[in-house]
Amino acid sequence: AQSVTQPDIHITVSEGASLELRCNYSYGATPYLFWYVQSPGQGLQLLLKYFSGDTLVQGIKGFEAEFKRSQSSFNLRKPSVHWSDAAEYFCAVGSGGYNKLIFGAGTRLAVHP
Amino acid sequence: DVKVTQSSRYLVKRTGEKVFLECVQDMDHENMFWYRQDPGLGLRLIYFSYDVKMKEKGDIPEGYSVSREKKERFSLILESASTNQTSMYLCASLTGGEGTDTQYFGPGTRLTVL
Repeated sequence: AQSVTQPDIHITVSEGASLELRCNYSYGATPYLFWYVQSPGQGLQLLLKYFSGDTLVQGIKGFEAEFKRSQSSFNLRKPSVHWSDAAEYFCAVGSGGYNKLIFGAGTRLAVHP
Repeated sequence: DVKVTQSSRYLVKRTGEKVFLECVQDMDHENMFWYRQDPGLGLRLIYFSYDVKMKEKGDIPEGYSVSREKKERFSLILESASTNQTSMYLCASLTGGEGTDTQYFGPGTRLTVL
């Protein structure tokens, strides 16, 4: 069965530090992969998505993610974190028809000044 | 800009009440979804609809039903609310059904069942 694992429940980084959020997926075919962000009290906003081509994907707000088929991973990165990046981040894989999504449990990011 | 709105941000209901959560999108999207979000579990799909009057069960449909009488509106119904349905409910929509399309989310309704 398809699944998404985000191994880190909470991560704390200092402002200006680099960030990497981990995501591993289990999917039989070529996956469609997504990263969403949820700011406090808000719905989810798409950061970036991968479906084919270049395995390094650029997104909004300075985020990027790299698809590694051999490791079944789609880790999210940012070279320098801002205090406004504090939020919860969800990795998801597209599953079957109608673009249903299977989400990971989420990683909550705290940013220290 | 795609806009997905949900009728309430916060809702408090009593056990046994019938509860309606409304979702409206303004982009003529065919597909709409209802998710439930719980800490440590991420988002789980309750129901989705790919056309007016069409619906499909998601991963956790028990205790819920849905209605889609108009393309822009997708309602989630709790026939008899229970305390274990206290949660954040998120609605989403997208056009077509291509795997590369993006789901757009509403702000969520935090439901408390007492």
